[in-house]
Amino acid sequence: QSVLTQPPSVSAAPGQKVTISCSGSSSNIGNNYVSWYQQLPGTAPKLLIYDNNKRPSGIPDRFSGSKSGSSATLGITGLQTGDEADYYCGTWDSSLSAHFVFGTGTKVAVL
Amino acid sequence: QVPLQESGPGLVKASETLSLTCTVSGGSISTFYWSWIRQPPGKGLEWIGYIYYSGSTKYNPSLKSRATISIDTSKNQFSLKLSSVTAADTAVYYCARGIGSYYVLYYFDSWGQGTPVTVSS
Repeated sequence: QSVLTQPPSVSAAPGQKVTISCSGSSSNIGNNYVSWYQQLPGTAPKLLIYDNNKRPSGIPDRFSGSKSGSSATLGITGLQTGDEADYYCGTWDSSLSAHFVFGTGTKVAVL
Repeated sequence: QVPLQESGPGLVKASETLSLTCTVSGGSISTFYWSWIRQPPGKGLEWIGYIYYSGSTKYNPSLKSRATISIDTSKNQFSLKLSSVTAADTAVYYCARGIGSYYVLYYFDSWGQGTPVTVSS
């Protein structure tokens, strides 16, 4: 069971905006960088956001990331049908048994 | 980003050892944190562990010391062995390149396509 909690699903019409929350604690999100991954059906995850709010080359600025305290948020504006996918947050957990953790995952549906 | 490719048996018998290899193409295996990540059918992602190019390793405590990751820099490959497998280890296994500092992982910027592994009884 993941220590990072995400809503199971979010949805919106094409062109609209969605936000996905990722809730953790001081041992993970609160003191480490957050990254976000997009997993299209049947494919490997792809890096969307790193270091809380940076986009890799080739990722459109419709995708944005932010962090506040022990929570992080992924925003997607101008929603497109091609954005239908599962999205995961991830970060390092600095507890006694330090390890990388992923969020529970959120399915984005374009209505 | 660099291309990564997983290889290994797609079927493993329960109680035996799962063995996978990841080949890194088009770039050096040095300086990064080479990781294994898995995804059970219909479920989320689980980080298994990493090996730094120097040979230092870190594992997910949930695997209770069943995982071993090794590296062969001369072949640009790193490998995973998972012992005493059960049906719960059935998953798609991904290798990935991790970016980090001082043995703390920040993110994964390159992923293999994934290889499905089924544990049979």
